[in-house]
Amino acid sequence: SQQGEEDPQALSIQEGENATMNCSYKTSINNLQWYRQNSGRGLVHLILIRSNEREKHSGRLRVTLDTSKKSSSLLITASRAADTASYFCATDQKAQKLVFGQGTRLTINP
Amino acid sequence: DVKVTQSSRYLVKRTGEKVFLECVQDMDHENMFWYRQDPGLGLRLIYFSYDVKMKEKGDIPEGYSVSREKKERFSLILESASTNQTSMYLCASRSGGLTEAFFGQGTRLTVV
Repeated sequence: SQQGEEDPQALSIQEGENATMNCSYKTSINNLQWYRQNSGRGLVHLILIRSNEREKHSGRLRVTLDTSKKSSSLLITASRAADTASYFCATDQKAQKLVFGQGTRLTINP
Repeated sequence: DVKVTQSSRYLVKRTGEKVFLECVQDMDHENMFWYRQDPGLGLRLIYFSYDVKMKEKGDIPEGYSVSREKKERFSLILESASTNQTSMYLCASRSGGLTEAFFGQGTRLTVV
């Protein structure tokens, strides 16, 4: 399998704290994307970082990419209860193949 | 608003039945995908299609086939459903290039 690996598998923090999730992958990529999934629903795109970029921000989200280590991290600052969801990284591989990791289940406690 | 629509939210089928899962997108996207999602395994790619009548196997194609006769519609077919195909099935689409994917709401299939 060419799936990415997210770490940790589950994360529980207090509201207002920062949450960091990591993603490692095995093959060369064109870009890396992060998605969010609320319980039992489809995935929603959060942010895309290209292989020649090292860091990207979108609101309370910060994504880093280290292609030499084949890893990425997603930081959510000042977490809110509504951020409770599963988060997935996806690598854009050859011929439009989009491969997802196993996900991190994030719980924000009020 | 962009939309990917899966034909059923919940489906219960019997072992051995032929099952069709339909997905329609209204964004004129070239690429469409079928994934299955199981606890602890994340999303695994079954098949994807980069054009009408074109398809590529993903990581777990066994037991599945697909059909894309029109650009907006991508069907997943379980030729003879088995209990180990009980899962959440997610369809996605995206345009060519380095773009985001849009997902349907998912079909929770139970094979009994």
